[in-house]
Amino acid sequence: DTGVSQDPRHKITKRGQNVTFRCDPISEHNRLYWYRQTLGQGPEFLTYFQNEAQLEKSRLLSDRFSAERPKGSFSTLEIQRTEQGDSAMYLCASSLSRGRGGYGYTFGSGTRLTVV
Amino acid sequence: GQQLNQSPQSMFIQEGEDVSMNCTSSSIFNTWLWYKQDPGEGPVLLIALYKAGELTSNGRLTAQFGITRKDSFLNISASIPSDVGIYFCAGPVYSGAGSYQLTFGKGTKLSVIP
Repeated sequence: DTGVSQDPRHKITKRGQNVTFRCDPISEHNRLYWYRQTLGQGPEFLTYFQNEAQLEKSRLLSDRFSAERPKGSFSTLEIQRTEQGDSAMYLCASSLSRGRGGYGYTFGSGTRLTVV
Repeated sequence: GQQLNQSPQSMFIQEGEDVSMNCTSSSIFNTWLWYKQDPGEGPVLLIALYKAGELTSNGRLTAQFGITRKDSFLNISASIPSDVGIYFCAGPVYSGAGSYQLTFGKGTKLSVIP
């Protein structure tokens, strides 16, 4: 098992373009999370899936953001009409549904988005 | 929402020195977590604390869960250059159906001078 994989690692896009990121969680993990991290801040929760169901969304997730996990395995995060304020590191994490708070919550290496 | 305040924001230390950093909250947490993030990577869990007063070690790292459940500290003994990075405290915020999300502090950036 190679852990949580995210692709691409870096993305530079022009303002107004759409971008899509992919996350492949640890195979036996049924929970998948997306977080956003800006410079000098800790990661901030965006959304969470249990299997294919999106169970929670942060108010940070504006209507330009959409996330899917179609078969309960990999997930995609799409940002439409990107803005400069979307520039951040987008982190994916996965965990099992059992287990104590934070235990077994594994992060990927992130996708660094730069909007120019 | 629940916020975690970390101090110091950054520190420069000499290799071999001990380091101490802490995290406080205005709300009670039932679990405290300490993560380390290397540049360009995601956070990696270092230590998890589940009980008030608990003191847990992981190699040169020691963390304690405060008695009030509103604070935690992390100590690193005999620092080495690979300790460089950003250290985050985090705690779970529970939502419905037994799920949780993690809330993070802003981090303590550690620099080690060889």
